[in-house]
Amino acid sequence: NAGVMQNPRHLVRRRGQEARLRCSPMKGHSHVYWYRQLPEEGLKFMVYLQKENIIDESGMPKERFSAEFPKEGPSILRIQQVVRGDSAAYFCASSPRSGEQYFGPGTRLTVT
Amino acid sequence: GIQVEQSPPDLILQEGANSTLRCNFSDSVNNLQWFHQNPWGQLINLFYIPSGTKQNGRLSATTVATERYSLLYISSSQTTDSGVYFCAVDRSYSGGGADGLTFGKGTHLIIQP
Repeated sequence: NAGVMQNPRHLVRRRGQEARLRCSPMKGHSHVYWYRQLPEEGLKFMVYLQKENIIDESGMPKERFSAEFPKEGPSILRIQQVVRGDSAAYFCASSPRSGEQYFGPGTRLTVT
Repeated sequence: GIQVEQSPPDLILQEGANSTLRCNFSDSVNNLQWFHQNPWGQLINLFYIPSGTKQNGRLSATTVATERYSLLYISSSQTTDSGVYFCAVDRSYSGGGADGLTFGKGTHLIIQP
């Protein structure tokens, strides 16, 4: 049973470009979560999604960030017009209906 | 929102030593998890333990939900135990399904040979 998969593992973008981060949950998991780990800060919850629904986006910045989990395919975290402050590790986690969350290896975004 | 405090923030031990890491949380929770973030940045699940006691090899954990704390015990430490240990909780969520986790700031553990 494959774990949570994220790609790319490393992503470099210039200021103003768009970043797209992908997450495939574990088989049988219908709940997906995105977290961000900024340098010198802890892990912060961003958004919680189920298939075709955003359940809780209270941790998402109001502008430039969006997330989706379509009926088919991976969950996508999209960051438009990236700035240097977006440089961070972005982790995806998945869980079954309720309970333990399992984390992917993360995508390390560097904005130059 | 819920507050999660971990102690100590930093811990340096010799190989073979035992340690206890603490996590206090400010409200009732549905879910409590302990993670190890290794030097490569990967988050490894250690325990899912909203209450009670669990053991896995040299590691064990206890959560006393009524007193809002959890403890992680590491015995006979090895250099590969080095890294950051995070406690994370989710709020009691009435809508079904697990909520987003709130993480503590972590305990940075260094095991010296």
